[in-house]
Amino acid sequence: GENVEQHPSTLSVQEGDSAVIKCTYSDSASNYFPWYKQELGKRPQLIIDIRSNVGEKKDQRIAVTLNKTAKHFSLHITETQPEDSAVYFCAASTSDTDKLIFGTGTRLQVFP
Amino acid sequence: GAVVSQHPSRVICKSGTSVKIECRSLDFQATTMFWYRQFPKQSLMLMATSNEGSKATYEQGVEKDKFLINHASLTLSTLTVTSAHPEDSSFYICSARAPGTGLTGELFFGEGSRLTVL
Repeated sequence: GENVEQHPSTLSVQEGDSAVIKCTYSDSASNYFPWYKQELGKRPQLIIDIRSNVGEKKDQRIAVTLNKTAKHFSLHITETQPEDSAVYFCAASTSDTDKLIFGTGTRLQVFP
Repeated sequence: GAVVSQHPSRVICKSGTSVKIECRSLDFQATTMFWYRQFPKQSLMLMATSNEGSKATYEQGVEKDKFLINHASLTLSTLTVTSAHPEDSSFYICSARAPGTGLTGELFFGEGSRLTVL
């Protein structure tokens, strides 16, 4: 089955700096890659997603890149703000299994 | 977006008792719901896929007799933790896919249920 690895596990940045979180997946059939943000004690919320037919997607300060050949994808947050502090999870799924498998999570702290 | 609601948000029970958690899709019908388990500071681990009108599909290592899943209607799935023990204490969270997004699309999550077994 699918295995998703995520790095780093923790990331501390100064407000205004950029943050990058990387994930790798094992199943070459995976074709959907969302990123979720989870604040303490709350439900995960989708922040951006990308499908295998594109290599990059951007939404304001957030961007995701996908390298299908290398089977890795990354989340880029620019001009970070304290409210970006949370745990971020990458995930992968295929249209065959309909299951979303999550990475191990990255705890991002943005210091003012 | 689609709304998924979970109840109860917190439950404390004695060891050996059973606990039922409900997951409802409030404004859409969900033929499939997913149950995840999350330990403190860890990832969301998929436990099972709940299918309306049929048996749930469990992930490897998840005891189906311990974690009973029932998906009796298009808007309700329930997870019953039977004969709960302290090691079952965790955050249980359900999710459903937004309608019309096909087999790969945004998952909407419930608020989660924090189970503490004494």
